[in-house]
Amino acid sequence: DTEVTQTPKHLVMGMTNKKSLKCEQHMGHRAMYWYKQKAKKPPELMFVYSYEKLSINESVPSRFSPECPNSSLLNLHLHALQPEDSALYLCASSQVLAGGPNEQFFGPGTRLTVL
Amino acid sequence: DQQVKQNSPSLSVQEGRISILNCDYTNSMFDYFLWYKKYPAEGPTFLISISSIKDKNEDGRFTVFLNKSAKHLSLHIVPSQPGDSAVYFCAATFSGTYKYIFGTGTRLKVLA
Repeated sequence: DTEVTQTPKHLVMGMTNKKSLKCEQHMGHRAMYWYKQKAKKPPELMFVYSYEKLSINESVPSRFSPECPNSSLLNLHLHALQPEDSALYLCASSQVLAGGPNEQFFGPGTRLTVL
Repeated sequence: DQQVKQNSPSLSVQEGRISILNCDYTNSMFDYFLWYKKYPAEGPTFLISISSIKDKNEDGRFTVFLNKSAKHLSLHIVPSQPGDSAVYFCAATFSGTYKYIFGTGTRLKVLA
């Protein structure tokens, strides 16, 4: 299984809603990532989990809250978002290779619209 | 400050011809580079990578060239096929880290 899956595919939410994005992989990867991608822009890293621990937080606002319940799952909890948070949210996973390249495999993304 | 740049936002090529996508970077400490392809409504798909200790890596129709002195890499697709039409991102990283720096992307259109 070489797939990263993400649910839901599309999400529309109001600014007062609480919702969650889910990501799953069964490749045995121990690093998982959340990216945000706006139209015509490159993906921007938000968070990295390594061995279920938060390794990198790219100064993301607290209205985004990541969670890694186990080595296969990664969630992104959303609360009190702003319309400018509307974007494609991508999950990725990779092996953890000390000193080596860590090719990342991406899921299809969740298209989020905040009204 | 954009450390990885793809200066051509779009490129059109006839089917069967060569597609050349370019990428420039500013940080000489990057030691690993990757190319991803992205179709609409899908996540990026890994294509090919190259370590800074090499100057060329080939995989089927895809070849990546690295010119460290010029801080430039390119992706060659030969022969180009209509199914190659997508947005191509280059990415640079430091081995052993998790952070990729993506370029802004080039939209390739292969004309039948």
